[in-house]
Amino acid sequence: GENVEQHPSTLSVQEGDSAVIKCTYSDSASNYFPWYKQELGKGPQLIIDIRSNVGEKKDQRIAVTLNKTAKHFSLHITETQPEDSAVYFCAAVTGTASKLTFGTGTRLQVTL
Amino acid sequence: DTGVSQDPRHKITKRGQNVTFRCDPISEHNRLYWYRQTLGQGPEFLTYFQNEAQLEKSRLLSDRFSAERPKGSFSTLEIQRTEQGDSAMYLCAIGAGVRTYGYTFGSGTRLTVV
Repeated sequence: GENVEQHPSTLSVQEGDSAVIKCTYSDSASNYFPWYKQELGKGPQLIIDIRSNVGEKKDQRIAVTLNKTAKHFSLHITETQPEDSAVYFCAAVTGTASKLTFGTGTRLQVTL
Repeated sequence: DTGVSQDPRHKITKRGQNVTFRCDPISEHNRLYWYRQTLGQGPEFLTYFQNEAQLEKSRLLSDRFSAERPKGSFSTLEIQRTEQGDSAMYLCAIGAGVRTYGYTFGSGTRLTVV
């Protein structure tokens, strides 16, 4: 089955700096890669996604890049704000059920 | 409001008791999923419904677990003879839309088995 690894597990940045979270996946059949933000006591919230036929996607301060050859994708957050502090999960989708395999999460802390 | 309502939000039960959780999507969605999330980990797939049909179950879903989606709308997840290892957040998710494989998750039910 699919295996997704995520790094780093914790990340602390100052407000205004950029944050980068990296993931690798194992199954070359995976074709969709969403990123989720999870705040305390809440379910994961989809923040951006990318399909396997696209190399990069941007939405305001958030961007995702995908390298299919290396089976590697990354989340980039620019101009970080305190409200960006949360746990971020990458995931990969495979199979007819479109089930998600999640990474282990990155706790991002944005300090003033 | 995430579009997926889960009830209860928290459940504390004694080991050996049965518990049932409910998931109510606000609007109709063909795909409905259950995931389990333990502390410090990402959610793990449990099972998937296409309308009322349960099409896939994870090996994580032991015989003590059963899920239903009787009319293709709401869904229930029952755990019989709970064990301490069942303590986790149980998340329900629906397909986020026709143009994405993304999901919309509910806020989950946090189960504590004592």
